[in-house]
Amino acid sequence: EVQLVESGGGLIQPGGSLRLSCAASGFTVSSNYMSWVRQAPGKGLEWVSLIYSGGTTYYADSVKGRFTVSKDNSKNTLYLQMSSLRAEDTAIYYCAKYFGPLHYFDCWGQGTLVTVSS
Amino acid sequence: QSVLTQPPSVSAAPGQKVTISCSGSSSNIGNNYVSWYQHLPGTAPKLLIYDNNKRPSGIPDRFSGSKSGTSATLGITGLQTGDEADYYCGTWDSRLSALPWVFGGGTKLTVL
Repeated sequence: EVQLVESGGGLIQPGGSLRLSCAASGFTVSSNYMSWVRQAPGKGLEWVSLIYSGGTTYYADSVKGRFTVSKDNSKNTLYLQMSSLRAEDTAIYYCAKYFGPLHYFDCWGQGTLVTVSS
Repeated sequence: QSVLTQPPSVSAAPGQKVTISCSGSSSNIGNNYVSWYQHLPGTAPKLLIYDNNKRPSGIPDRFSGSKSGTSATLGITGLQTGDEADYYCGTWDSRLSALPWVFGGGTKLTVL
């Protein structure tokens, strides 16, 4: 069974850093495209980042230069390193498996909540 | 403001049919595949439709998708109270100056 489990969320002060993890099972992260999507309170889904199987990365303008997506193939885990966090980064962060050839997200995690507040 | 435009809300009675529209441009919907997601806030979003009109295994045929030009539509027939959720369209955007992936703003479905 394909499954994604996020962790690492929590309360962090503005300007701080946090690393989210997404443990995958049932498939290999190394050979798939993976993505992070977030939902701020009362808002819709917002795409955050995408990493190709070969390592090419893309970021939303709102996080470019502050967030870094990476994979640890040995742990079959996706990461999102977040720095210089702002109040507007407060959201539930979902990781998702992305089927590149047809461009859709075919598996999602339950999400992890990040709250940026002093 | 989202690149893809959806109505903020739709509603219908149980057993009825509802459609949700998603409007974009030639750089996204017009030249790429559209997918649709069902989301109850705080839970994992679920893929409903991919490749404009295909359903993953396990998604009932009450859910359908279509695309024409730069717009796409999600249809739900035989509405059930369990269908109450937020629905999002999404697609790739081919413009170099744009984000590679875009979601619609979401549509809240209420089953009266």
